Amino acid sequence: GQNIDQPTEMTATEGAIVQINCTYQTSGFNGLFWYQQHAGEAPTFLSYNVLDGLEEKGRFSSFLSRSKGYSYLLLKELQMKDSASYLCAVTPPGGGGADGLTFGKGTHLIIQP
Amino acid sequence: SQTIHQWPATLVQPVGSPLSLECTVEGTSNPNLYWYRQAAGRGLQLLFYSVGIGQISSEVPQNLSASRPQDRQFILSSKKLLLSDSGFYLCAWAPMGYNEQFFGPGTRLTVL
Repeated sequence: GQNIDQPTEMTATEGAIVQINCTYQTSGFNGLFWYQQHAGEAPTFLSYNVLDGLEEKGRFSSFLSRSKGYSYLLLKELQMKDSASYLCAVTPPGGGGADGLTFGKGTHLIIQP
Repeated sequence: SQTIHQWPATLVQPVGSPLSLECTVEGTSNPNLYWYRQAAGRGLQLLFYSVGIGQISSEVPQNLSASRPQDRQFILSSKKLLLSDSGFYLCAWAPMGYNEQFFGPGTRLTVL
C-alpha cells in the first residue's frame, strides 16, 4: 500500500518563504509530483522529481530524498495568489503513466498580508 | 496544444438517480485517462484508469463504472447514485509513457 503525509494547514506572510513537507511510505516508487489547487478548481502541475535533489522552477523549488521517503516544496517571495492547497502525489512502480497517482490530503496554505 | 474538457461543471442529482459524466481530450492520441474523486476533507482518490479504448481498470469497489468508447473520450457512470457519491470529480490525461497528469476543470456533484 501507499501512505502519504503532509501538514493539513500552514500560514505564511506575503514576501516570505515557506516549506511544505511530504513524507511517503510506498510499496514502490517511480516519482513524486507537487500540484497546486485553488479552491473549487482543478489541480495544476508544479513539479516532478524522480531523482534525489532539488529542482528549481522560478519561485518554486521541489526536493526529493528517496532513501528517506521525503520531499518538500519551497515557495519563495510569497504572493497572495499563492494561497491554495498543495498536493503531494506519488507514482507507483512500473511508471509509464499507466497507473494513477496516489495523492496526499493536501496542505492548505494561507498567505497573510 | 492539448486541452481536456469535462461536463457538466456542476450537477445536483437525487439519490437513486443515474449519472453520466463525460471527459474528452483534444490535441493528443492514445492518452492514458483517469477518473479521480475529491470528497470534502479528503485527498484525491483514483477511481478508474484506462490505457486504451475499452480498457478500464478500477481502483476501488463502488457503484460507479467507467467506459472508453473512443480514444479521447472517457465516461463515468452510475445506475443509482448514493449520498456518498457527492464530490468533485476530476478527469485527467497523461501522454502514453509519461507520468505527468493534466487535469480537467472538474464536475462538482451533489447528491441529495
